[in-house]
Amino acid sequence: AQKITQTQPGMFVQEKEAVTLDCTYDTSDQSYGLFWYKQPSSGEMIFLIYQGSYDEQNATEGRYSLNFQKARKSANLVISASQLGDSAMYFCAMREVTNFGNEKLTFGTGTRLTIIP
Amino acid sequence: ETGVTQTPRHLVMGMTNKKSLKCEQHLGHNAMYWYKQSAKKPLELMFVYNFKEQTENNSVPSRFSPECPNSSHLFLHLHTLQPEDSALYLCASSQKLADNQPQHFGDGTRLSIL
Repeated sequence: AQKITQTQPGMFVQEKEAVTLDCTYDTSDQSYGLFWYKQPSSGEMIFLIYQGSYDEQNATEGRYSLNFQKARKSANLVISASQLGDSAMYFCAMREVTNFGNEKLTFGTGTRLTIIP
Repeated sequence: ETGVTQTPRHLVMGMTNKKSLKCEQHLGHNAMYWYKQSAKKPLELMFVYNFKEQTENNSVPSRFSPECPNSSHLFLHLHTLQPEDSALYLCASSQKLADNQPQHFGDGTRLSIL
């Protein structure tokens, strides 16, 4: 079963509008972490924002905020006042501990966001 | 500048060649990772190194051979690869057991197998 689900393969948004990228996750762990990364066409994975499972407040980092609904197991990324430079792939990821006690990130399939001028 | 540097950025090789990918991190982290990103598939974890010791091999074929000489450097040695190995290979590092610290990724090596 897929552990991270991103249901929007692609989105087109007008510049300066807000956009919400969906992410749902599946875990039986009580303690986990959720991350959002941005990947421009050049390939690098850029860390955007983190939400811990015990954090009571939604995470915010500049124009990025995370709408964390623990009971629904969703962690949607909200980008306010979108800019042309926001056009990229966006990945939701969950930190898990493997059977060998290692930390690993499990990624979703991503959402390609295109900002229209 | 993410603090994780990967070379080369692009690599084209034949199936009989031997090449190596290099990753270096300047962040003082103690864990390093290799991921594979194929088209239309989620990133796949390949290897994990903690404090220079390989602690996970995620069922990766033996034609991929990692090496971690110290906690700042990570290599991926390639030999007799197959066309399906063409992908973006990403290196990452992190501080193990630091809950809210992300893995930091390099720019990746885009590998094409002829």
